[in-house]
Amino acid sequence: DQQVKQNSPSLSVQEGRISILNCDYTNSMFDYFLWYKKYPAEGPTFLISISSIKDKNEDGRFTVFLNKSAKHLSLHIVPSQPGDSAVYFCAASVGSGGSNYKLTFGKGTLLTVNP
Amino acid sequence: DAGITQSPRHKVTETGTPVTLRCHQTENHRYMYWYRQDPGHGLRLIHYSYGVKDTDKGEVSDGYSVSRSKTEDFLLTLESATSSQTSVYFCAISEDSGRGFFGPGTRLTVL
Repeated sequence: DQQVKQNSPSLSVQEGRISILNCDYTNSMFDYFLWYKKYPAEGPTFLISISSIKDKNEDGRFTVFLNKSAKHLSLHIVPSQPGDSAVYFCAASVGSGGSNYKLTFGKGTLLTVNP
Repeated sequence: DAGITQSPRHKVTETGTPVTLRCHQTENHRYMYWYRQDPGHGLRLIHYSYGVKDTDKGEVSDGYSVSRSKTEDFLLTLESATSSQTSVYFCAISEDSGRGFFGPGTRLTVL
């Protein structure tokens, strides 16, 4: 049973527009959420995270929103750039301490930003 | 970039042979993890380590064993490789603050 779901396998947007990537989770114990970006033949790279005590976290062009009641989070990229084209993974864990990098991942969404 | 390397980066082997993948870090992080990535599955945790000689199983541990005799090295062994273990394997490290990093990955093909 998939505990973290990314229901859109792919997303295509125009350069300069907003990209919105969505993620749903089913495990109520999850209290820390992360987004990773992955290029082919490379390891995932951490983008941004959010704790369940917050509903929004912002870092430059990247903003993550968390709706705990809906068990839903989203990553907004504004403005989107061609270099943002990659696979984006949503991940969740119980706790945010170092020992809790035991992450449960979604299947990923391939974002393509067209010039 | 975090000081984390994986070796080999690519390996082709035959069914039934033992295979060992190595993860090496220079960050002195306490926690280390092995994940596998397969199409349609995202990344899944195989094993993890809380410290030297302190390891535990993850979600997909069957057919895998690990060892950590030094802080900097975390070895993943496939005792008898099967075609279902064809995958890309990622090592990760994390510190007490929770910040973590992934290695570049090892692509393993079992024929």
